[in-house]
Amino acid sequence: DARVTQTPRDKVTEMGQEVTMRCQPILGHNTVFWYRQTMMQGLELLAYFRNRAPLDDSGMPKDRFSAEMPDATLATLKIQPSEPRDSAVYFCASGLTGGYRLNTEAFFGQGTRLTVV
Amino acid sequence: GENVEQHPSTLSVQEGDSAVIKCTYSDSASNYFPWYKQELGKRPQLIIDIRSNVGEKKDQRIAVTLNKTAKHFSLHITETQPEDSAVYFCAASKSGTYKYIFGTGTRLKVLA
Repeated sequence: DARVTQTPRDKVTEMGQEVTMRCQPILGHNTVFWYRQTMMQGLELLAYFRNRAPLDDSGMPKDRFSAEMPDATLATLKIQPSEPRDSAVYFCASGLTGGYRLNTEAFFGQGTRLTVV
Repeated sequence: GENVEQHPSTLSVQEGDSAVIKCTYSDSASNYFPWYKQELGKRPQLIIDIRSNVGEKKDQRIAVTLNKTAKHFSLHITETQPEDSAVYFCAASKSGTYKYIFGTGTRLKVLA
Protein backbone atom coordinates (compact mmCIF):
# COMPACT_ATOMS: atom_id res chain seq x y z
CA ASP A 1 0.00 0.00 0.00
CA ALA A 2 1.93 3.05 -1.30
CA ARG A 3 1.76 6.07 0.99
CA VAL A 4 3.24 9.52 1.34
CA THR A 5 5.43 9.54 4.45
CA GLN A 6 6.09 12.65 6.51
CA THR A 7 8.48 13.17 9.41
CA PRO A 8 8.31 14.17 12.16
CA ARG A 9 4.65 13.57 13.08
CA ASP A 10 4.80 16.13 15.87
CA LYS A 11 7.25 18.93 16.55
CA VAL A 12 7.32 21.38 19.43
CA THR A 13 9.93 24.09 19.17
CA GLU A 14 10.79 27.44 20.64
CA MET A 15 10.29 30.65 18.75
CA GLY A 16 13.34 31.52 16.67
CA GLN A 17 14.45 27.92 16.12
CA GLU A 18 14.83 26.31 12.71
CA VAL A 19 12.29 23.64 11.79
CA THR A 20 12.70 21.11 8.98
CA MET A 21 9.86 18.91 7.82
CA ARG A 22 10.45 16.01 5.45
CA CYS A 23 8.27 14.21 2.95
CA GLN A 24 8.78 11.03 0.94
CA PRO A 25 6.35 11.06 -2.00
CA ILE A 26 4.88 7.90 -3.47
CA LEU A 27 7.40 6.24 -5.78
CA GLY A 28 6.78 7.31 -9.37
CA HIS A 29 4.79 10.42 -8.53
CA ASN A 30 6.18 13.52 -10.23
CA THR A 31 4.29 16.29 -8.43
CA VAL A 32 4.68 17.22 -4.77
CA PHE A 33 2.60 19.76 -2.84
CA TRP A 34 3.05 21.39 0.56
CA TYR A 35 -0.13 22.53 2.34
CA ARG A 36 -0.64 24.23 5.67
CA GLN A 37 -3.82 23.57 7.63
CA THR A 38 -5.13 25.81 10.37
CA MET A 39 -8.62 26.08 11.78
CA MET A 40 -9.20 29.40 10.09
CA GLN A 41 -7.57 28.88 6.69
CA GLY A 42 -8.43 25.34 5.71
CA LEU A 43 -5.88 23.79 3.32
CA GLU A 44 -3.55 26.54 2.16
CA LEU A 45 -1.15 25.74 -0.70
CA LEU A 46 2.38 26.83 0.17
CA ALA A 47 4.42 25.44 -2.72
CA TYR A 48 4.56 22.67 -5.26
CA PHE A 49 7.08 20.92 -7.44
CA ARG A 50 6.87 18.98 -10.66
CA ASN A 51 9.74 16.75 -11.67
CA ARG A 52 11.63 18.32 -8.72
CA ALA A 53 11.37 21.82 -10.20
CA PRO A 54 9.55 24.43 -8.10
CA LEU A 55 6.49 25.61 -10.04
CA ASP A 56 4.81 27.94 -7.59
CA ASP A 57 5.74 29.04 -4.09
CA SER A 58 3.67 32.20 -4.04
CA GLY A 59 1.73 30.94 -1.03
CA MET A 60 4.84 30.79 1.11
CA PRO A 61 6.28 33.61 3.26
CA LYS A 62 9.62 33.90 1.46
CA ASP A 63 11.55 35.56 4.24
CA ARG A 64 11.35 32.55 6.54
CA PHE A 65 10.08 29.56 4.56
CA SER A 66 11.94 27.53 1.97
CA ALA A 67 11.00 24.36 0.10
CA GLU A 68 13.32 22.05 -1.82
CA MET A 69 13.45 18.66 -3.49
CA PRO A 70 17.03 17.42 -3.24
CA ASP A 71 16.00 14.24 -5.07
CA ALA A 72 12.87 12.50 -6.33
CA THR A 73 12.34 10.68 -3.03
CA LEU A 74 12.62 13.64 -0.65
CA ALA A 75 10.93 17.01 -0.31
CA THR A 76 11.73 19.39 2.55
CA LEU A 77 10.04 22.42 4.05
CA LYS A 78 12.11 24.64 6.32
CA ILE A 79 11.10 27.50 8.56
CA GLN A 80 13.85 29.76 9.90
CA PRO A 81 13.25 31.46 12.25
CA SER A 82 9.99 29.92 13.42
CA GLU A 83 7.24 32.04 15.00
CA PRO A 84 4.16 31.13 17.07
CA ARG A 85 1.88 32.00 14.11
CA ASP A 86 3.52 29.15 12.16
CA SER A 87 1.81 26.65 14.46
CA ALA A 88 -0.32 24.46 12.21
CA VAL A 89 -0.45 21.03 10.59
CA TYR A 90 1.73 20.84 7.49
CA PHE A 91 0.70 18.29 4.87
CA CYS A 92 2.69 16.98 1.98
CA ALA A 93 0.82 15.43 -0.96
CA SER A 94 2.00 13.77 -4.14
CA GLY A 95 0.40 12.96 -7.47
CA LEU A 96 1.02 12.13 -11.11
CA THR A 97 0.41 14.98 -13.53
CA GLY A 98 1.44 16.36 -16.85
CA GLY A 99 2.11 15.45 -20.44
CA TYR A 100 -0.80 13.61 -21.98
CA ARG A 101 -2.17 12.74 -18.55
CA LEU A 102 -5.09 14.52 -17.02
CA ASN A 103 -4.66 15.62 -13.41
CA THR A 104 -5.49 12.88 -10.93
CA GLU A 105 -5.81 12.32 -7.21
CA ALA A 106 -3.31 13.93 -4.85
CA PHE A 107 -2.36 11.56 -2.02
CA PHE A 108 -1.73 13.16 1.36
CA GLY A 109 0.78 12.25 4.03
CA GLN A 110 -0.16 12.03 7.72
CA GLY A 111 0.96 15.59 8.34
CA THR A 112 3.41 17.23 10.73
CA ARG A 113 1.80 19.00 13.65
CA LEU A 114 4.04 21.98 14.45
CA THR A 115 3.74 23.93 17.68
CA VAL A 116 5.95 26.99 18.14
CA VAL A 117 6.03 28.29 21.71
CA GLY B 1 -6.45 34.64 -8.85
CA GLU B 2 -7.88 31.16 -8.69
CA ASN B 3 -10.41 30.67 -5.95
CA VAL B 4 -12.79 27.97 -4.71
CA GLU B 5 -15.64 28.91 -2.41
CA GLN B 6 -17.37 26.24 -0.35
CA HIS B 7 -20.67 26.33 1.55
CA PRO B 8 -21.85 25.73 4.18
CA SER B 9 -18.95 25.80 6.64
CA THR B 10 -20.86 23.55 9.05
CA LEU B 11 -23.77 21.19 8.45
CA SER B 12 -25.72 19.05 10.88
CA VAL B 13 -28.14 16.40 9.65
CA GLN B 14 -30.10 13.58 11.21
CA GLU B 15 -28.92 10.08 10.50
CA GLY B 16 -30.60 8.83 7.33
CA ASP B 17 -31.11 12.30 5.87
CA SER B 18 -29.21 13.68 2.87
CA ALA B 19 -26.39 16.21 2.96
CA VAL B 20 -25.39 18.60 0.18
CA ILE B 21 -22.20 20.64 0.02
CA LYS B 22 -21.67 23.22 -2.71
CA CYS B 23 -18.57 24.72 -4.29
CA THR B 24 -17.97 27.45 -6.82
CA TYR B 25 -14.73 27.88 -8.75
CA SER B 26 -13.40 30.95 -10.50
CA ASP B 27 -11.16 29.57 -13.26
CA SER B 28 -13.25 28.40 -16.21
CA ALA B 29 -10.31 26.31 -17.45
CA SER B 30 -10.52 24.03 -14.39
CA ASN B 31 -11.21 20.47 -15.50
CA TYR B 32 -10.72 18.19 -12.50
CA PHE B 33 -12.75 18.40 -9.29
CA PRO B 34 -11.92 16.04 -6.42
CA TRP B 35 -13.66 15.79 -3.04
CA TYR B 36 -11.70 14.86 0.06
CA LYS B 37 -12.90 13.64 3.44
CA GLN B 38 -10.83 14.37 6.53
CA GLU B 39 -11.62 12.63 9.79
CA LEU B 40 -10.42 14.18 13.04
CA GLY B 41 -6.64 14.01 13.35
CA LYS B 42 -6.20 12.19 10.03
CA ARG B 43 -5.09 12.98 6.51
CA PRO B 44 -7.51 14.12 3.79
CA GLN B 45 -8.53 11.21 1.57
CA LEU B 46 -10.22 11.24 -1.81
CA ILE B 47 -13.82 10.03 -1.80
CA ILE B 48 -14.96 10.92 -5.31
CA ASP B 49 -13.85 13.05 -8.24
CA ILE B 50 -15.29 14.33 -11.51
CA ARG B 51 -13.86 15.67 -14.75
CA SER B 52 -15.25 18.49 -16.81
CA ASN B 53 -16.49 16.22 -19.59
CA VAL B 54 -19.01 14.61 -17.21
CA GLY B 55 -22.04 16.17 -15.54
CA GLU B 56 -22.61 13.65 -12.76
CA LYS B 57 -20.85 10.75 -11.09
CA LYS B 58 -22.14 8.36 -8.47
CA ASP B 59 -20.51 5.90 -6.08
CA GLN B 60 -22.97 4.15 -3.78
CA ARG B 61 -24.29 6.81 -1.36
CA ILE B 62 -22.07 9.58 -2.73
CA ALA B 63 -22.63 11.61 -5.88
CA VAL B 64 -21.06 14.69 -7.40
CA THR B 65 -22.68 17.01 -9.94
CA LEU B 66 -20.95 19.60 -12.09
CA ASN B 67 -22.41 22.65 -13.82
CA LYS B 68 -19.64 24.05 -16.02
CA THR B 69 -21.67 27.01 -17.20
CA ALA B 70 -22.31 28.22 -13.67
CA LYS B 71 -18.92 26.96 -12.42
CA HIS B 72 -20.60 25.05 -9.61
CA PHE B 73 -20.09 21.54 -8.34
CA SER B 74 -21.77 19.78 -5.45
CA LEU B 75 -21.35 16.73 -3.24
CA HIS B 76 -24.44 14.77 -2.33
CA ILE B 77 -24.46 12.17 0.45
CA THR B 78 -27.63 10.13 0.86
CA GLU B 79 -28.72 8.00 3.82
CA THR B 80 -26.11 9.62 6.03
CA GLN B 81 -24.51 7.58 8.81
CA PRO B 82 -22.57 8.69 11.92
CA GLU B 83 -19.31 7.60 10.26
CA ASP B 84 -19.91 10.23 7.56
CA SER B 85 -19.15 12.87 10.21
CA ALA B 86 -15.94 14.61 9.09
CA VAL B 87 -14.65 17.69 7.30
CA TYR B 88 -15.18 17.63 3.55
CA PHE B 89 -13.05 19.65 1.13
CA CYS B 90 -13.72 20.35 -2.52
CA ALA B 91 -10.90 21.26 -4.90
CA ALA B 92 -10.39 22.37 -8.46
CA SER B 93 -7.43 22.01 -10.77
CA LYS B 94 -6.60 22.27 -14.44
CA SER B 95 -4.18 20.48 -16.71
CA GLY B 96 -1.04 22.46 -17.35
CA THR B 97 -0.69 24.14 -13.95
CA TYR B 98 -1.13 20.99 -11.82
CA LYS B 99 -2.21 23.22 -8.94
CA TYR B 100 -5.03 21.96 -6.67
CA ILE B 101 -6.99 24.79 -5.04
CA PHE B 102 -9.07 23.72 -2.07
CA GLY B 103 -12.26 25.15 -0.64
CA THR B 104 -12.34 26.12 3.04
CA GLY B 105 -14.04 22.91 4.14
CA THR B 106 -17.43 21.84 5.50
CA ARG B 107 -17.72 20.23 8.90
CA LEU B 108 -20.50 17.64 8.61
CA LYS B 109 -22.05 16.25 11.76
CA VAL B 110 -24.48 13.34 11.45
CA LEU B 111 -26.66 13.08 14.53
CA ALA B 112 -27.69 9.59 15.62
